[in-house]
Amino acid sequence: DAKTTQPTSMDCAEGRAANLPCNHSTISGNEYVYWYRQIHSQGPQYIIHGLKNNETNEMASLIITEDRKSSTLILPHATLRDTAVYYCIVSRGSNYKLTFGKGTLLTVNP
Amino acid sequence: DAGVTQSPTHLIKTRGQQVTLRCSPKSGHDTVSWYQQALGQGPQFIFQYYEEEERQRGNFPDRFSGHQFPNYSSELNVNALLLGDSALYLCASSYTGTPDQPQHFGDGTRLSIL
Repeated sequence: DAKTTQPTSMDCAEGRAANLPCNHSTISGNEYVYWYRQIHSQGPQYIIHGLKNNETNEMASLIITEDRKSSTLILPHATLRDTAVYYCIVSRGSNYKLTFGKGTLLTVNP
Repeated sequence: DAGVTQSPTHLIKTRGQQVTLRCSPKSGHDTVSWYQQALGQGPQFIFQYYEEEERQRGNFPDRFSGHQFPNYSSELNVNALLLGDSALYLCASSYTGTPDQPQHFGDGTRLSIL
């Protein structure tokens, strides 16, 4: 499975958009990009995933570059409850293991 | 629609003992994966069960074993517990028929070894 690189930490002001980058330069053509987040003492929460096209759901948007070597997770209006560790994961799908890195600690400030 | 449920939520054991953790997958899911998350680290894949068989395994010793039942629920067994086995154990479920869809996680069992 491809490895990902994420910043260790980021800050964002409440109400502003949070843009979390992820590099996955060795991604294969059949691998998806998944984003999860984990709030302290809880299990990882699925946010969004994509293969080639940009995706949007009620939680976030996922922008994948044309060469698929990087992506950005966008939380359009961050709230204090969005403070969490965000994991970017590349995987061939739910029938395969998810390889978690250390993720990005996003802190939303009032 | 119940999500992934795990029991117990917390457990304390001593070195050398054995432990069994349980997981009920989300409704409609037939595949269960187990992960170990040490303090301050991301989750690490232990193994995955489908059709009552181990389909994939991560880099964990044979002390870690599992089982999946006909109703798709699963157990994780750890024998000869070591201090280093103290961690949050997470269960995730998914549906093999839609491989692009994500795994969904429970809130885990916190295992402490004294």
